[in-house]
Amino acid sequence: NAGVTQTPKFRVLKTGQSMTLLCAQDMNHEYMYWYRQDPGMGLRLIHYSVGEGTTAKGEVPDGYNVSRLKKQNFLLGLESAAPSQTSVYFCASTSRGNYEQYFGPGTRLTVT
Amino acid sequence: AQTVTQSQPEMSVQEAETVTLSCTYDTSESNYYLFWYKQPPSRQMILVIRQEAYKQQNATENRFSVNFQKAAKSFSLKISDSQLGDTAMYFCAFHSQGGSEKLVFGKGMKLTVNP
Repeated sequence: NAGVTQTPKFRVLKTGQSMTLLCAQDMNHEYMYWYRQDPGMGLRLIHYSVGEGTTAKGEVPDGYNVSRLKKQNFLLGLESAAPSQTSVYFCASTSRGNYEQYFGPGTRLTVT
Repeated sequence: AQTVTQSQPEMSVQEAETVTLSCTYDTSESNYYLFWYKQPPSRQMILVIRQEAYKQQNATENRFSVNFQKAAKSFSLKISDSQLGDTAMYFCAFHSQGGSEKLVFGKGMKLTVNP
C-alpha cells in the first residue's frame, strides 16, 4: 500500500515551458487535492476534485489546470511556467466523510 | 469564509520540556473538525492529532494533546517531553463538516527542539 505518490520529486523548468505533475493514490479515495507551499504562506489550495471527472478551483488556481480521468490519479498541469510558480507542490487525498487528508511527499519545482 | 491563525511563527524548546503551540480560527459553523499536522525536514506532512468540534473531551495522542476551547475558537497543541524528532513545522487546519470539502490551513509555526 503506497498511499499517495507524486511524480516527479524535483523539476527545473525554464519560463514558458510546460509540465504535468502526477499524483496517484491507492486508497480508493474519492477526493483529491493539489496544494502549493511557499515560505510563510502555509499550504494554499490550487484545485481539487470530489470524484472522477470533476474538478473545482481552489484559492490560487490561476496558471494551473487539472484533470481527474481516473479515480486514482489527479494531474496538475502548468501550460506556461512562470518564476512565480516556483514552489513545493503537494497532493493529498481523503475519503468522503473522513476529513483527514493523506499527503504525498511533495514535488519541488523551480522555474528559472 | 473560515480562517486559521497561527500567531507564533517560530518557537524553540529544550529537550524533555513541554511546549504549547497556539491556533485560533474563525467560523460561523457549529460542526467542524480541527487538525494539527507536522512537517519535519523530510517535507512529509504527517497528521498529529484531530478534534471533532462536537466532542467536549480534548483529544490526546501519546505525548500530544490539545486544548480545545470552542467558544473562544482556540485550538492549541501541547507537546510533552519534547524530543529532537519533534523539530518540524506545525500546521493547524480546519475542516467544515458539511458543505465545503476543503481543509483551511494556518501559515504554520516552526518548532525547534534543542538538546
